[in-house]
Amino acid sequence: DIVMTQTPLSLSVTPGQPASISCKSSQSLLHSDGKTYLYWYLQKPGQSPQLLIYEVSSRFSGVPDRFSGSGSGTDFTLKISRVEAEDVGVYYCMQGIHLPGTFGQGTKVEIK
Amino acid sequence: EVQLVESGGGLIQPGGSLRLSCAASGFTVSSNYMSWVRQAPGKGLEWVSVIYSGGSTYYADSVKGRFTISRDNSKNTLYLQMNSLRAEDTAVYYCARGRYSLDYWGQGTLVTVSS
Repeated sequence: DIVMTQTPLSLSVTPGQPASISCKSSQSLLHSDGKTYLYWYLQKPGQSPQLLIYEVSSRFSGVPDRFSGSGSGTDFTLKISRVEAEDVGVYYCMQGIHLPGTFGQGTKVEIK
Repeated sequence: EVQLVESGGGLIQPGGSLRLSCAASGFTVSSNYMSWVRQAPGKGLEWVSVIYSGGSTYYADSVKGRFTISRDNSKNTLYLQMNSLRAEDTAVYYCARGRYSLDYWGQGTLVTVSS
């Protein structure tokens, strides 16, 4: 199985400041179809997970543009340009190139 | 509006069986990939199973041979039949639309396996 490793595992951010989460995969997530199957999810406290980013950098409908994804191959990053109080929760990356899909351990983001 | 509502969770003894349901509205289950993802108490997310629109099914190794994903097109409902349950299957089970791009999730149903 592909192992997804996130860093850091926790992050405390002042509102209005940027935040960045790294996700590394044990194998390349670039498919022969040219797409890279890397996703980002946010699980807010007490809620179900929600899709933020698909295929590395495409924002899902309704996701604020302060969220951006980047990377290629095995190294990926989720950036929040200006953290807001509503962004608290646990962020997960997930790979979808090989079954079974695998998630990173999660990065807990809190507000200072 | 897309909605997913899980049901069927509860307390079950080790070795027992349980069937989870996920009633969908706002879209057609049979035309989409549909997945189950679980989350053990205080832990991260674990992909469990997926059913393709064509009917192919896939499972995590941890549940293969014990769990079965299926759907009832007439009821627009997704199921997860769980047999030979173990303590380590204790988790909130979410159904979600999609294979890996899971764009809509249910609220989850808690399964507790304990004697």
